[in-house]
Amino acid sequence: NAGVTQTPKFQVLKTGQSMTLQCAQDMNHEYMSWYRQDPGMGLRLIHYSVGAGITDQGEVPNGYNVSRSTTEDFPLRLLSAAPSQTSVYFCASHRDQPYEQYFGPGTRLTVT
Amino acid sequence: GIQVEQSPPDLILQEGANSTLRCNFSDSVNNLQWFHQNPWGQLINLFYIPSGTKQNGRLSATTVATERYSLLYISSSQTTDSGVYFCAERGFGNEKLTFGTGTRLTIIP
Repeated sequence: NAGVTQTPKFQVLKTGQSMTLQCAQDMNHEYMSWYRQDPGMGLRLIHYSVGAGITDQGEVPNGYNVSRSTTEDFPLRLLSAAPSQTSVYFCASHRDQPYEQYFGPGTRLTVT
Repeated sequence: GIQVEQSPPDLILQEGANSTLRCNFSDSVNNLQWFHQNPWGQLINLFYIPSGTKQNGRLSATTVATERYSLLYISSSQTTDSGVYFCAERGFGNEKLTFGTGTRLTIIP
């Protein structure tokens, strides 16, 4: 099992550009989530999905879109990047029970 | 939502030393996890331990759910143990994991 994979590992964007962060898992987990990690703020939930076709907002959803067309994939879209979105982004997945989350390696995003 | 406090915030030890890290929770513990974030930024699952005690090599963890705390023990520390250790709890009826602020562990050769 590859577990949770994320691409790219690093990305630099200019303000206003758009991009998609990719996330995939091969553990057949129903739940998938996106978090961002900022110094002094810990990890904060952006969006999550409880199954294919079902998504919901987390704590900090503004500026991000998600969709879940398959169990395996959960991409995160930045429609118009802003410097405030400079962060490290983690994708995670888990089953309903036990609720044990597994994290991907992260994407380090810089918006200039 | 649930509050998670970790102590100590920083710990510097010589290689071979033992350490105990603690997490306190403001609400009931049901889905507690311990993670190690290594110097490359990866979040590595250490334990899923909503109650009881588990051991994995030099690491062990104990959660006392009735008293809302968990302990992570690291024995015979190695330099590869350096990094930040987080505990996290879901909280009742909540999808997100709430993380503590972490304990930064530095192991000196």
